Amino acid sequence: SQQGEEDPQALSIQEGENATMNCSYKTSINNLQWYRQNSGRGLVHLILIRSNEREKHSGRLRVTLDTSKKSSSLLITASRAADTASYFCATDGDTGFQKLVFGTGTRLLVSP
Amino acid sequence: EADIYQTPRYLVIGTGKKITLECSQTMGHDKMYWYQQDPGMELHLIHYSYGVNSTEKGDLSSESTVSRIRTEHFPLTLESARPSHTSQYLCASAGQGRRYGGYTFGSGTRLTVV
Repeated sequence: SQQGEEDPQALSIQEGENATMNCSYKTSINNLQWYRQNSGRGLVHLILIRSNEREKHSGRLRVTLDTSKKSSSLLITASRAADTASYFCATDGDTGFQKLVFGTGTRLLVSP
Repeated sequence: EADIYQTPRYLVIGTGKKITLECSQTMGHDKMYWYQQDPGMELHLIHYSYGVNSTEKGDLSSESTVSRIRTEHFPLTLESARPSHTSQYLCASAGQGRRYGGYTFGSGTRLTVV
């Protein structure tokens, strides 16, 4: 069954604006990860946040995790046209075997 | 640049043909995975391996098979391709313990069965 769902499904913004994407999941987790996928390509790992962490930063990325609500958000600040891609959250459930289950993805379009 | 390679990048093949999608990684990762993704859709795990001679089926039923004879190599085989197999196939690998930093993905193989 699907573990993660992202919201919104699609997001269109102007360069310089911030983009926020949300992810909800169903089971307990060890960690939650965010990935980016450019059209027709493989996924690129962006950031990993562990279940005992609440917030993490990496460059223009900020990720929050609320395990009580089983939700996470990804904030991209000062977006650029090059940020145009699909963004997926992924969780490992609670198996401890690092099998990731991916969400449905958010398609982000950043216009110049 | 990714250290995981998938070939071919694109493949168009006739129904009934046997095909093998190649995946190799140079990072010494023990864990490798195959995902199937239709355009614009989520990824579904079809096979995974925790090391040499270890293979397991994933959450999505697939008619494909895999093998793991060498750490660096994790090929996926379809004995008889059908149009329903048309999709993108993504290979990924991950390290263990302190080396775990998420998955590294290949660029994918886009398969079309006509």
